[in-house]
Amino acid sequence: KNEVEQSPQNLTAQEGEFITINCSYSVGISALHWLQQHPGGGIVSLFMLSSGKKKHGRLIATINIQEKHSSLHITASHPRDSAVYICALSNFGNEKLTFGTGTRLTIIP
Amino acid sequence: NAGVTQTPKFQVLKTGQSMTLQCAQDMNHEYMSWYRQDPGMGLRLIHYSVGAGITDQGEVPNGYNVSRSTTEDFPLRLLSAAPSQTSVYFCASRSGGPDVGQYFGPGTRLTVL
Repeated sequence: KNEVEQSPQNLTAQEGEFITINCSYSVGISALHWLQQHPGGGIVSLFMLSSGKKKHGRLIATINIQEKHSSLHITASHPRDSAVYICALSNFGNEKLTFGTGTRLTIIP
Repeated sequence: NAGVTQTPKFQVLKTGQSMTLQCAQDMNHEYMSWYRQDPGMGLRLIHYSVGAGITDQGEVPNGYNVSRSTTEDFPLRLLSAAPSQTSVYFCASRSGGPDVGQYFGPGTRLTVL
């Protein structure tokens, strides 16, 4: 069983829609990361969070440590948001990140 | 700042050849890591370093060597390339601290024939 599971695997939506991507995990963690991988392959770190909620522009990340679940939300989605979104787990003092397989998001104009 | 740079961008090797993938960062980050990304699988950690002179194995270290003689550089050596090492390799770095994510290099696409 994978330690980290993302859903959905693929998501297609119309421009402007509210997007939710989910990440569930089965092990203890001290932080969860959300990453974005562009169609060209580059990877950008979006959020690192250990509790509560973080917001950056149209992106919001939440985490519930007790339920071992995190969500990434995109408001007013735009075609430039089309990318693969990856969830990863870490423990402080340990650089061994464990990655999900990603959610491929496509936003249609 | 150039951020995290990787060379080469593309490389084709024959089975048994050796080579070094270069990674450098100019942000004075303590932590550096190497990952490989294969279709249908998540990124997997190969080796990582928590500072100059200190390295440790990740999830898939076999067939790879690393060293960290300076803060800036973290090369990944393939000792004897195998087709199973065909992959996209990413180097990443981050500073210390509890709330800081990683900066990724642009990746190296390696094919082993």
